Amino acid sequence: EPEVTQTPSHQVTQMGQEVILRCVPISNHLYFYWYRQILGQKVEFLVSFYNNEISEKSEIFDDQFSVERPDGSNFTLKIRSTKLEDSAMYFCASNLDRVEGGTQYFGPGTRLTVL
Amino acid sequence: AQTVTQSQPEMSVQEAETVTLSCTYDTSESNYYLFWYKQPPSRQMILVIRQEAYKQQNATENRFSVNFQKAAKSFSLKISDSQLGDTAMYFCAFIHTSGTYKYIFGTGTRLKVLA
Repeated sequence: EPEVTQTPSHQVTQMGQEVILRCVPISNHLYFYWYRQILGQKVEFLVSFYNNEISEKSEIFDDQFSVERPDGSNFTLKIRSTKLEDSAMYFCASNLDRVEGGTQYFGPGTRLTVL
Repeated sequence: AQTVTQSQPEMSVQEAETVTLSCTYDTSESNYYLFWYKQPPSRQMILVIRQEAYKQQNATENRFSVNFQKAAKSFSLKISDSQLGDTAMYFCAFIHTSGTYKYIFGTGTRLKVLA
């Protein structure tokens, strides 16, 4: 069964550094998402992406965040200058179209630790 | 405001018993989907069950079933014959079928199945 994959599984970085979190969505999917889960809290929407542009972003997704699909398979989340409060689990998700029941398929997550 | 409330932060159940996790939500939309996701210690998000709001029939998936009360905006999850592998965090979520397609998650219920 096709799966969403994410790399790395755990990223440790120093405050102020840039990080890139990578996701490979399911190959025929068209809609892509990033969510964030701070430890012990609920999963929160960051951004959705379709047709090579952002469809929607939350207030969390400020200017330090960016997304791109550089090569037709990878979907990346870049955090330009990490802060301590960016420490969280980051989930990528994808789906084929928005009328398949809305189900989004999640990757295993990347745990980001900012020191 | 679109919100999801899970009023039980923690629950426990004996192996082979039945447990019900509660979820209420608030939306002014009439078309949406509801989900329960399981998050084991690995922190992967695993879809448990899905319910279309326009369907009156409650969804079932093996040992998992829901009690969907649209007028009351309630969506509870019943786990029958609980197994040790059901120990996890359970998140309720909904998504609209028009406009935004982001998931709105609840704060989760931590379920522990006791041997």
